[in-house]
Amino acid sequence: DGGITQSPKYLFRKEGQNVTLSCEQNLNHDAMYWYRQDPGQGLRLIYYSQIVNDFQKGDIAEGYSVSREKKESFPLTVTSAQKNPTAFYLCASRSSGVDKNIQYFGAGTRLSVL
Amino acid sequence: GQQVMQIPQYQHVQEGEDFTTYCNSSTTLSNIQWYKQRPGGHPVFLIQLVKSGEVKKQKRLTFQFGEAKKNSSLHITATQTTDVGTYFCAGGTGFQKLVFGTGTRLLVSP
Repeated sequence: DGGITQSPKYLFRKEGQNVTLSCEQNLNHDAMYWYRQDPGQGLRLIYYSQIVNDFQKGDIAEGYSVSREKKESFPLTVTSAQKNPTAFYLCASRSSGVDKNIQYFGAGTRLSVL
Repeated sequence: GQQVMQIPQYQHVQEGEDFTTYCNSSTTLSNIQWYKQRPGGHPVFLIQLVKSGEVKKQKRLTFQFGEAKKNSSLHITATQTTDVGTYFCAGGTGFQKLVFGTGTRLLVSP
């Protein structure tokens, strides 16, 4: 919410194509996260990063890749290896200040397969 | 791995009725958070509980953290149509990541 920008809002992927979802934050947060949400389901963690140039796999990392070259940016690539990519993708960042552990979410990207 | 379950999955109430959602973790938690996601929107942080047995209130919303730090509940008194959405609990075993519950979708009829 506020300060985290995800783009595009809607994205369509052709079979066999890699697509990259953008996530930018201006909150000066160290930690960033990518979640996948399927209709009527909860949030599942794909990847997370605690610091620049470092990231860890979440619970469903297969078929996805990330990079963290800048503190502000944490792009997610959905590769052709992800056979069921249709979902709502949410990026979040976490404060390390007095309200640490609270995650702030972007507005999300809805990915569909053509 | 750690799992966090919520019940019920869905509840439909009349405006003015109360609502409660329950959250249960398979492991002991260091903290629990609650988020609300409006239809078509993204999760928004509501509150964090850290202490065993903690109870916090936000206007008509009451949040509890169990004594064993493995369960939590959210109770809404006298629901309003603005309460519509999906409520998620999220459990943490440290500060690095959260495990989100399955969510409870609340529908309120006027």
